[in-house]
Amino acid sequence: EDQVTQSPEALRLQEGESSSLNCSYTVSGLRGLFWYRQDPGKGPEFLFTLYSAGEEKEKERLKATLTKKESFLHITAPKPEDSATYLCAVRVNDYKLSFGAGTTVTVRA
Amino acid sequence: SQTIHQWPATLVQPVGSPLSLECTVEGTSNPNLYWYRQAAGRGLQLLFYSVGIGQISSEVPQNLSASRPQDRQFILSSKKLLLSDSGFYLCASPNGAYGYTFGSGTRLTVV
Repeated sequence: EDQVTQSPEALRLQEGESSSLNCSYTVSGLRGLFWYRQDPGKGPEFLFTLYSAGEEKEKERLKATLTKKESFLHITAPKPEDSATYLCAVRVNDYKLSFGAGTTVTVRA
Repeated sequence: SQTIHQWPATLVQPVGSPLSLECTVEGTSNPNLYWYRQAAGRGLQLLFYSVGIGQISSEVPQNLSASRPQDRQFILSSKKLLLSDSGFYLCASPNGAYGYTFGSGTRLTVV
């Protein structure tokens, strides 16, 4: 069964304290792994798409990496505005994405 | 670019009352459309998806139903709400390399 597991569930960081979020997945034939950011009471917003092991994508303080079994979202020198829930999803077939439960990141000034 | 509109943003309904949530899509034609529910601390659960007008597939048995009366319109309904129907409802549509585009969501509280 296709499965996506994110850890930790919650992460509290001091401003400037870098850290990483983990997304482990089991899917037969990965056709895309996606990272989204979700602010409270809003819909998820697209961050990155990764397709193959070794691929990396970067945007401002965020960097996503992919291996054959997991993906990491690295947050470098976070700021309070990086506080959000970060969702990971994998495409399991032509019509469906399977989502993890998310990691809620809180960055304190 | 593709945009999804959802309304209302928040809704408080008594147990046993009916429900209608609406989603419309701009910037694409004949899109696949999805209804997800997000419970606190849990991932997005796919409720329904539609590949075209009048075509609805249900992923999980439940108290809800969906309809697609027009190409760019997707409606989530219930005849009688249960407490367990509370949650954050999201409409989504595939958007190529971006995975999905999501609407802004509806926070439903059943009291």
